[in-house]
Amino acid sequence: GESVGLHLPTLSVQEGDNSIINCAYSNSASDYFIWYKQESGKGPQFIIDIRSNMDKRQGQRVTVLLNKTVKHLSLQIAATQPGDSAVYFCAETGSSNTGKLIFGQGTTLQVKP
Amino acid sequence: DTAVSQTPKYLVTQMGNDKSIKCEQNLGHDTMYWYKQDSKKFLKIMFSYNNKELIINETVPNRFSPKSPDKAHLNLHINSLELGDSAVYFCASSHGTGGLGSPLHFGNGTRLTVT
Repeated sequence: GESVGLHLPTLSVQEGDNSIINCAYSNSASDYFIWYKQESGKGPQFIIDIRSNMDKRQGQRVTVLLNKTVKHLSLQIAATQPGDSAVYFCAETGSSNTGKLIFGQGTTLQVKP
Repeated sequence: DTAVSQTPKYLVTQMGNDKSIKCEQNLGHDTMYWYKQDSKKFLKIMFSYNNKELIINETVPNRFSPKSPDKAHLNLHINSLELGDSAVYFCASSHGTGGLGSPLHFGNGTRLTVT
């Protein structure tokens, strides 16, 4: 079946350090991948996306890397700040390529001051 | 504010009751969704509507009935509530039918507690 998973349930980093959150997916037909951030009491918030024909995409302080050979996705956050503390989800479109997103189980990022 | 807004934010009710959750988006999107997040934070799609037409129905019990009066609104009605329905329900919207280049925008959720 289709599944998206994250390697670590919780990641704890020191403020100012870089964070790397990993994700493994199983559907090689997925064309589109998205990272979401969910703060307590709020809905998932779009961070960055990447299409399958790219291997890297950069945003403001965030970078997404895609390795289709090993079906691996990662989110890098530079100079992690307390406001980055949240649960991070990767999601893929699967073979449907619609808004029927397949979410991973989430990684909780804790930023220590 | 441009957003996806849903009401109520919290809903506490007893087993067997019928309840509704409302959602509105003012982003001009064509497609709206309901996702369910369980206690382990796992997010799963339930339904999606594109221009008032149902396009995704993910084997959800028929006690759950979505209704879309227009493309800016998607409500969720739940009959005969059960303990297992307790979860956070998220409304979302996207351009087109979502997918490539059209990320979903989520509301802030409705926490449903069935006692």
